[in-house]
Amino acid sequence: ETGVTQSPTHLIKTRGQQVTLRCSSQSGHNTVSWYQQALGQGPQFIFQYYREEENGRGNFPPRFSGLQFPNYSSELNVNALELDDSALYLCASSPLPAQNQPQHFGDGTRLSIL
Amino acid sequence: QQPVQSPQAVILREGEDAVINCSSSKALYSVHWYRQKHGEAPVFLMILLKGGEQKGHDKISASFNEKKQQSSLYLTASQLSYSGTYFCGTWVYGKLTFGQGTILTVHP
Repeated sequence: ETGVTQSPTHLIKTRGQQVTLRCSSQSGHNTVSWYQQALGQGPQFIFQYYREEENGRGNFPPRFSGLQFPNYSSELNVNALELDDSALYLCASSPLPAQNQPQHFGDGTRLSIL
Repeated sequence: QQPVQSPQAVILREGEDAVINCSSSKALYSVHWYRQKHGEAPVFLMILLKGGEQKGHDKISASFNEKKQQSSLYLTASQLSYSGTYFCGTWVYGKLTFGQGTILTVHP
């Protein structure tokens, strides 16, 4: 069983640029959630995708957008990068978008904004 | 609003016990617990659903009191491998909201 994989592992961008992060969900999982984790903080929910549709969104501006593909892999796009966007971005998959489903996390993408 | 965890940090010697608490100002439907080691992804420990149930996994167990909107994680006879940051996550309005974390350090 292949776990959740994310790419790239590290990324350095400058303010104003755009970035795309990628996530492959665990086999059999059709739900993908994205989280932003600042240093020393808990993961913050960005949004969730279920069967290629956005299924919930946290308190993040519209320049954070996403996609889910038919194979349930997902992308997180961030436009007009700001210094505060520097963080670890975690992707998690689950079999269903329900409260009794454990989140299986990938190792994350460390994004640094200069 | 994120749940509040206490304490913020715990230092133990191998074999000692610890309790980590998680409380919310909103009604809870479920509570998730995860452990994250430095530089690694959070790892799922357990989920508790409404009903005041207690679950256990090896020497780690948890309780959930939805009336008090609280959950507690119990680590007994701690091992070096228990070191890490523990997060509770509460499921409210269709999204999982994590607490700020509790740093647990176990020394030999």
